[in-house]
Amino acid sequence: QVQLVQSGAEMKKPGDSVKVSCKASGYTFRNYAFTWMRQAPGQGFEWVGWISPLHENTRYAENFQDRVTMTSDASTNTVYMELRSLRPGDTAVYYCARSDSWEYWGQGTLVTVSS
Amino acid sequence: DIILTQSPGTLSLSPGEGATLSCRASKSVGGNILNWFQKKPGQAPRLLVHHASRRATGTPERFSGSGSGTDFTLTISSLEPEDSAVYYCQQSVGPPFTFGPGTKVEIK
Repeated sequence: QVQLVQSGAEMKKPGDSVKVSCKASGYTFRNYAFTWMRQAPGQGFEWVGWISPLHENTRYAENFQDRVTMTSDASTNTVYMELRSLRPGDTAVYYCARSDSWEYWGQGTLVTVSS
Repeated sequence: DIILTQSPGTLSLSPGEGATLSCRASKSVGGNILNWFQKKPGQAPRLLVHHASRRATGTPERFSGSGSGTDFTLTISSLEPEDSAVYYCQQSVGPPFTFGPGTKVEIK
């Protein structure tokens, strides 16, 4: 069955970078795009960006344009989201999801940014 | 970008009652590619309805979606205790994919 498994929780300091992974299984990895979203404590969802493993196309939300990079590795069926210059407001649970059907989601990765 | 607003912010209802959740888009959602998610604390979002009115696999029949263009509705016909959650609408016409702010459903 389709599964998306994300890397574990991260504690970071302001100014650090974080790289969250999302490993896919149960289907042909390259065929479907991924979206990354985040949910800050007590808040709604914020779209971070999108990556298509097939052509390595990416599109990032304007708010993150200069701080985020999304990559994919077909050899390990994994997509990555790196967020740089972290600030306390980046504290959130980050989710990957397969954005063809929105039926498949990772379990979420809590990133905490605190001095 | 398409901005989604949801109403009401919170619903507090008893088991067996019906719930009507509204989602309004700032412009027409092409192809009615409007999804509804259920979100419980500590869990990933669960897709309930896609393309405005099609139940996702495993979605109980008490959940139904309707609407088109800019106005969409999620109806829960008879609330169960496990329906306590926040419900989000989301448009997936194309990136950016935007979510509404959510409606919290509380079961008395």
